[in-house]
Amino acid sequence: DVVMTQSPLSLPVTLGQPASISCRSSQSIVYSDGNIYLNWFQQRPGQSPRRLIYKISNRDSGVPDRFSGSGSGTDFTLKISRVEAEDVGVYYCMQGTHWPWTFGQGTAVEIK
Amino acid sequence: EVQLVESGGVLVQPGGSLRLSCAASGFTFTTYWMTWLRQAPGKGLEWVAYINQYGSETEYVDSVRGRFTISRDNARNSLYLQMNSLRAEDTAIYYCAGDPQPRIIGAWGQGTLVTVSS
Repeated sequence: DVVMTQSPLSLPVTLGQPASISCRSSQSIVYSDGNIYLNWFQQRPGQSPRRLIYKISNRDSGVPDRFSGSGSGTDFTLKISRVEAEDVGVYYCMQGTHWPWTFGQGTAVEIK
Repeated sequence: EVQLVESGGVLVQPGGSLRLSCAASGFTFTTYWMTWLRQAPGKGLEWVAYINQYGSETEYVDSVRGRFTISRDNARNSLYLQMNSLRAEDTAIYYCAGDPQPRIIGAWGQGTLVTVSS
């Protein structure tokens, strides 16, 4: 199985400051159609996960533009330009290229 | 608005069986790939199974293959997960999720809790 490794696992951030989460795949996640199915999800406390970003950098409808995704090869990043209180939660990267699709361990974002 | 509502989660004894259901509304169900995922208490996320729009293609994670069966009824806009030979390690919140594309699953339900314990 493809192992997705996130860092850090805990991220205390000051309101209004930027935050960055790294995600690395244990092997190439380029699918046969040429796409890289690397997605990011947010799970707020007590809620089900919500997709933020799909295929590395495509932001979902309704997701604030302070969230952005980037990366290539086996290294990917989710950035929050200015953290707000509603951003508290756990963030997961996920690869949808190789079955079983797999998630990273999650990064808990909290406000300092 | 896309809505997915899971049901069927209960306390069941090890070795028992359970059928989870997911009612879909707000979109054309026949255009969506559908999946089940789970999250053990306080743990991360794990894909369990997927099924294509027509029900002709399914896949399972190794830990449930041979014990769980994913199916769908397009006439009823419903997704199912038949779970047999349940083990303590199957205890989790089970989420129904779907998308028109299979590898970027974007719509999620609220989940239903399955507890396997004697």
